[in-house]
Amino acid sequence: RKEVEQDPGPFNVPEGATVAFNCTYSNSASQSFFWYRQDCRKEPKLLMSVYSSGNEDGRFTAQLNRASQYISLLIRDSKLSDSATYLCVVGANAGKSTFGDGTTLTVKP
Amino acid sequence: NAGVTQTPKFQVLKTGQSMTLQCAQDMNHNSMYWYRQDPGMGLRLIYYSASEGTTDKGEVPNGYNVSRLNKREFSLRLESAAPSQTSVYFCASRGTSGRGDTQYFGPGTRLTVL
Repeated sequence: RKEVEQDPGPFNVPEGATVAFNCTYSNSASQSFFWYRQDCRKEPKLLMSVYSSGNEDGRFTAQLNRASQYISLLIRDSKLSDSATYLCVVGANAGKSTFGDGTTLTVKP
Repeated sequence: NAGVTQTPKFQVLKTGQSMTLQCAQDMNHNSMYWYRQDPGMGLRLIYYSASEGTTDKGEVPNGYNVSRLNKREFSLRLESAAPSQTSVYFCASRGTSGRGDTQYFGPGTRLTVL
C-alpha cells in the first residue's frame, strides 16, 4: 500500500462545476499536509496548506480528518485555468514529505 | 530573486555515462531536496539535506550521490547512468511563506538514458 493514495482521475468537469478530490495517508504520525498544483511539464507549486480546522482560500477549501487519515480539496466554480494535476503531500518529520501520484483535472468550456 | 534554478534543462546520456545535475537557491533556505518524477506518477524523494553539511537518503537513493556544496547549492550525481534513471528531476528548497511551510521547486531537468 502506498503511503499517500489519490484517485488518479481524470476528472472532466464543465466550467462552473464543483469538484472534490480525496487523499488518504497511512502514517498516523504525519504532521503536515498540503495540496500542490502541477501544470503539464512544469514544476509543482504550493496551492494551500491543510490545517486541522479546515481552511479556505477563495474558491478552494481543504479539509483534514486525522481520525480517518484523509485530506480533501474542494474546488467551487471551476475555471478553465484550474485544469492541472493536484498533488496531495504529507509530511512526517525532518522536513521530509511524501507525494501522492496526483489527480488530473480538466475543466471544459 | 531567481528562486530555485537547475541546470541543465535537458540531457541525453548513454548507459554507463556519468553526469551531475546542479541546483541553487537564493532564498537562504536550510533544507534542500532532490526528487524524481516518472510519467503519471508523483514525486519520489532521492536525497535531502536538512542543512549545510548534512545529507540523508530518501525513498529511492540507489544509483545517486549528492553534495551540499554550501547553503545555496545542492548537486545530484549519477555515476553510471541506467535506462531506469530516465525521468524528470526536480530540486526543491523549503521555507515559510504566507501560506505556511512551502517547498519551492526548480523547473526540472529532463533526463533520457539510452
